[in-house]
Amino acid sequence: DGGITQSPKYLFRKEGQNVTLSCEQNLNHDAMYWYRQDPGQGLRLIYYSQIVNDFQKGDIAEGYSVSREKKESFPLTVTSAQKNPTAFYLCASSIGNRVNTEAFFGQGTRLTVV
Amino acid sequence: AQKVTQAQTEISVVEKEDVTLDCVYETRDTTYYLFWYKQPPSGELVFLIRRNSFDEQNEISGRYSWNFQKSTSSFNFTITASQVVDSAVYFCALSEDPNFGNEKLTFGTGTRLTIIP
Repeated sequence: DGGITQSPKYLFRKEGQNVTLSCEQNLNHDAMYWYRQDPGQGLRLIYYSQIVNDFQKGDIAEGYSVSREKKESFPLTVTSAQKNPTAFYLCASSIGNRVNTEAFFGQGTRLTVV
Repeated sequence: AQKVTQAQTEISVVEKEDVTLDCVYETRDTTYYLFWYKQPPSGELVFLIRRNSFDEQNEISGRYSWNFQKSTSSFNFTITASQVVDSAVYFCALSEDPNFGNEKLTFGTGTRLTIIP
């Protein structure tokens, strides 16, 4: 089935460690996005990519990094510079970079810093 | 700057009751898009509807209906004859610029809806 796969579902990290969250899509979508969700808050955009080998910072990019070497993959690294990384992370994709294209979301990764 | 307000943090209703989720938005643009997404317990957001600012017609899809009123800057969502499967967090979102993609979406804080059997 086509869709977006995020792994792992739960992730625990020690303070000071970098960790990478996986996001893979087989929808042949050009655009991919990473969002962060905190309790009682809406989704906030971390990074987005409209095409392979190109990506842009979103509203809260500090402490995060991404790569887009393949169309189907958009991994997110949470670095030790991210001061409050415990959150629920959602990856999404859409056909193109216009707002009239529906976004499809993965089931998320819950990251906890211990 | 654009803003979306979902004042109802949590709502609980008994199964088969009707329920309305409120969404109020702020924008300076005349062209914009409004969205509703559902987030079930599994975590992913599921697209429900997209409406552009020039289309004020209300929309009905099965038990779901949406009321768009530009005069009050509201885009409310009603579930008729609610079911337990409707239990989820519902997000309203706004995008001001039709020339950009989902990176320009502003989400509300969500409303957690619980349907009591």
